[in-house]
Amino acid sequence: DGGITQSPKYLFRKEGQNVTLSCEQNLNHDAMYWYRQDPGQGLRLIYYSQIVNDFQKGDIAEGYSVSREKKESFPLTVTSAQKNPTAFYLCASQQGAGYSNQPQHFGDGTRLSIL
Amino acid sequence: AQSVAQPEDQVNVAEGNPLTVKCTYSVSGNPYLFWYVQYPNRGLQFLLKYITGDNLVKGSYGFEAEFNKSQTSFHLKKPSALVSDSALYFCAAGDTGNQFYFGTGTSLTVIP
Repeated sequence: DGGITQSPKYLFRKEGQNVTLSCEQNLNHDAMYWYRQDPGQGLRLIYYSQIVNDFQKGDIAEGYSVSREKKESFPLTVTSAQKNPTAFYLCASQQGAGYSNQPQHFGDGTRLSIL
Repeated sequence: AQSVAQPEDQVNVAEGNPLTVKCTYSVSGNPYLFWYVQYPNRGLQFLLKYITGDNLVKGSYGFEAEFNKSQTSFHLKKPSALVSDSALYFCAAGDTGNQFYFGTGTSLTVIP
């Protein structure tokens, strides 16, 4: 079945530690997105990528980094500079530029907490 | 600034009654409009979309949505609510640049 896989489902970060959240898709989508979800705040865009080897900052990129070396993969690193990382992180993919009328497909999220 | 608003954080409805979850948007041009549903500790699932044409669009699980261009609204509806419809609902708008704008979500509770 085609879809998006996020791992791990739960992740704990120690003080001063960087952690990486995995996102893999087999939908052959060009565009991929990372969102942060906090209670009552909806989804906030962290980074997005419209094509391999290119990505753009979203609204809350500070303290996060990404890479897009392969079409299928868009990992998110939460760095120690992100002082309040506790949240539910969602990865999404979408067919890409020129297909804006197509919906995004979401993974089942990673819940990150501070130890 | 482009935005999507869901004016109600919480909607309660009795099982079997019709339900409406409201959404308005402020996105330039003719945006594409979407509704998603989220169950606890899960990702968002696509319900339906408006691209062009009929103002009433039908989607999954008996949901439909009414597009109103003059009021820039895209309200989600269902004629008869089920307890299993209880979830968090998100409205979203997509522009031609492949940018997507999400509302803050509405928590729907269907009371048995």
